[in-house]
Order: sequence, then C-alpha cells, then structure tokens
Amino acid sequence: DAGVTQSPTHLIKTRGQQVTLRCSPKSGHDTVSWYQQALGQGPQFIFQYYEEEERQRGNFPDRFSGHQFPNYSSELNVNALLLGDSALYLCASSLRIRDRGSEQYFGPGTRLTVT
Amino acid sequence: TQLLEQSPQFLSIQEGENLTVYCNSSSVFSSLQWYRQEPGEGPVLLVTVVTGGEVKKLKRLTFQFGDARKDSSLHITAAQPGDTGLYLCAARSGSARQLTFGSGTQLTVLP
Repeated sequence: DAGVTQSPTHLIKTRGQQVTLRCSPKSGHDTVSWYQQALGQGPQFIFQYYEEEERQRGNFPDRFSGHQFPNYSSELNVNALLLGDSALYLCASSLRIRDRGSEQYFGPGTRLTVT
Repeated sequence: TQLLEQSPQFLSIQEGENLTVYCNSSSVFSSLQWYRQEPGEGPVLLVTVVTGGEVKKLKRLTFQFGDARKDSSLHITAAQPGDTGLYLCAARSGSARQLTFGSGTQLTVLP
C-alpha cells in the first residue's frame, strides 16, 4: 500500500520563475491538502482539494494555485517566485468522509530553493 | 485564526530522562494530533485525540488532551536517541477541515 508520494524531492529556481510540484495521495484517499513549511517552523496550510475543486484556502496569495485530477493526484503551482517562497512543500492526503476526525498522512515533501 | 503555542521550543536531554512537551491555545479544538518529523521528511502521525480528558499511550509516549479541549501534552518516558526529532501538534476547530500546526518542539536526546 503506497503512501503519499511527491515529486520532485528537490528543486532550485530563480526569482520570477514558475514551479509545479506534484503529489499522489495514499491509496483510498480522495482529499489532498498542501502545506508550506519554512525552516524551523510548523507547516502552514495553503489549500485543500476535493472532487477536483479547491475547498478551503489559507492565507496565501493568488500566485499559489493548484489542481486535482480525476485520479485524486494533485499539483501545486507557484508563479512569480520570491526568495521567501523557499521552503519545504508538503502534501497530505485524507479521506473526506472521515475528515473531521481522521488523520492526514504526509508525503516526504519537496524542498524548493529560490535564488 | 487559532494559534497553537508549543513549549519548549528546544529541548536537549540525556538518554533515559523523562520529558513533557506542551501545546496550548485559547481556542477549543474538535481534534488534536501529534506528529514527529525528522530532517528532510514529512511529519509522521503519532496520535489523534478527540475527547476532552482523553489519555492515549504509545509505548513510552503518553498523550493527554485537556478537559476543555484547549491544550494537550506529550510525555516521553526514558527517552532514547531515536526519539530525536521535531514534535508538532496540529488541531482542527469547529468545521475546519485543514490542520493548524504549532511551531514545534525540537527534541534532541543525547546518548
């Protein structure tokens, strides 16, 4: 039973560029959430996707956008990269129907460095 | 926006010692989770608590949820070097589906 997978593991981009990160949820899960974790901090919620729609969003600008595909996998896109976007980007999957009490399972993350 | 405060921020102890990590908020949580994260990896779920006053044990780890569901603690007995990591609490309030995380406690257990 595969857990949450993310790609790539590491990425280096230049200010102003655009980046796409990918996530495949745990088998049987239908909901994907994205988090940004700066060094030494806890993860910050970006947004959550269910049934291919963004359902909730944290306090992140419109430069951050996403997509969920029919197979439940998801992408996170960040446009016009800033130095402050450098962070570990985490994907978490869960089962919607049990979401309120259920756990979110995290992938290993993508380490994004913006220079 | 609910704020989760974790303390201490850093903790360095010798193998065999006991320790307690705290997670506090002024908000009431519908559920609270504890995670452990190692460098370069994603958080790994340790436990979920949903009932006020609930106590759960996981080997040498004891988790407690406050009666008012506003705070939680994690107690580790006879810490081992393998317990080293970033311990994060995360909570949901009301109908929120996303998790709000604390800033974490970085634990180092020295052999």
